[in-house]
Amino acid sequence: DAGVIQSPRHEVTEMGQEVTLRCKPISGHNSLFWYRQTMMRGLELLIYFNNNVPIDDSGMPEDRFSAKMPNASFSTLKIQPSEPRDSAVYFCASSFPGTGSGYTFGSGTRLTVV
Amino acid sequence: RKEVEQDPGPFNVPEGATVAFNCTYSNSASQSFFWYRQDCRKEPKLLMSVYSSGNEDGRFTAQLNRASQYISLLIRDSKLSDSATYLCVVNSGNKLVFGAGTILRVKS
Repeated sequence: DAGVIQSPRHEVTEMGQEVTLRCKPISGHNSLFWYRQTMMRGLELLIYFNNNVPIDDSGMPEDRFSAKMPNASFSTLKIQPSEPRDSAVYFCASSFPGTGSGYTFGSGTRLTVV
Repeated sequence: RKEVEQDPGPFNVPEGATVAFNCTYSNSASQSFFWYRQDCRKEPKLLMSVYSSGNEDGRFTAQLNRASQYISLLIRDSKLSDSATYLCVVNSGNKLVFGAGTILRVKS
């Protein structure tokens, strides 16, 4: 099992540029989650999908952030335009439906906006 | 008030010590409870689930007190490799909420 796969591992971009983060969940997991982690705020849930459908996007900070899940094996998180305060580690996680089995996280994308 | 609260630490302990972390949660309807471990610059990884009757996995023991809405993690015979951040995790509806974590440093 390859686990949850995220790309890129690191991204450095200039303020105002578009950033796209990618995630491949574990095969068979129906739920996918995007988290952001910073020292100040810890792990924050941005959005999650069940069966490719966005269920709760209340954690998305503002309209500059968008997420899609076109199929069961791929999701993207896009920031446009990026700002320095978006610098953080972005984790993707997947799970079976419900919360009973916990989530499996990818290795994360460390984003730096300069 | 945060949904899941933990003492951030750090807890600095010598090798071989026993250390305990507590966590409180605010949603009395929560049904799923976990402890995750996160190493520096790595992703969180599931350490263990927490069951109502309490459960043990080697040197690790987790307990749940529903009446007081708190969860604990006990680590016996601490190893250097136990140094990490321990995240308390509770479900809120259909999603998991992570505490900010407790830092543990085990020193020789």
